[in-house]
Amino acid sequence: GENVEQHPSTLSVQEGDSAVIKCTYSDSASNYFPWYKQELGKGPQLIIDIRSNVGEKKDQRIAVTLNKTAKHFSLHITETQPEDSAVYFCAATNDYKLSFGAGTTVTVRA
Amino acid sequence: EAQVTQNPRYLITVTGKKLTVTCSQNMNHEYMSWYRQDPGLGLRQIYYSMNVEVTDKGDVPEGYKVSRKEKRNFPLILESPSPNQTSLYFCASSLSQGSYEQYFGPGTRLTVT
Repeated sequence: GENVEQHPSTLSVQEGDSAVIKCTYSDSASNYFPWYKQELGKGPQLIIDIRSNVGEKKDQRIAVTLNKTAKHFSLHITETQPEDSAVYFCAATNDYKLSFGAGTTVTVRA
Repeated sequence: EAQVTQNPRYLITVTGKKLTVTCSQNMNHEYMSWYRQDPGLGLRQIYYSMNVEVTDKGDVPEGYKVSRKEKRNFPLILESPSPNQTSLYFCASSLSQGSYEQYFGPGTRLTVT
């Protein structure tokens, strides 16, 4: 089955700096890669996703890149703000099953 | 408002006492799923359902049961809870299986003593 590895497990950044979270996947048939944000006491919520026919996607301060050859994808958050503090999960699916990474706890320092 | 609801939000119980965590969605989604979240392990799928009366095991199904008698409801049943089932549980739903956004409930914090 699909194995998704996520790094780092924790990330502390100064407000205004950028944050990068990296994930690798094992199943070359995976074709959809969502990112979820989980705020304290809440369920995860989709913030951005990318499909295998696209290399990069951007939505305001967040962007995701996908390298199918290397089987890795990354989340980039620019100009970080206090409200970006949360746990972020990457995931991958081959249309059969969604597999999640272990999560990254991001803390934005004021 | 489109949402997934779970009840209860918090539950403390003792080993062996059967319990049910309810999950309901109002988006007419076909696909529903249960996950458990443990520190350092991320979200692991317990069971999923592709439609009414269609359920299947996820990655960690041992000790759990589910049923899908109606499209909107997908209860999680622990017939004989054990301490290793102490965890944070999430129900999720999506339009269909595969590359669709999953909508998560607020979570149920379960402690088994």
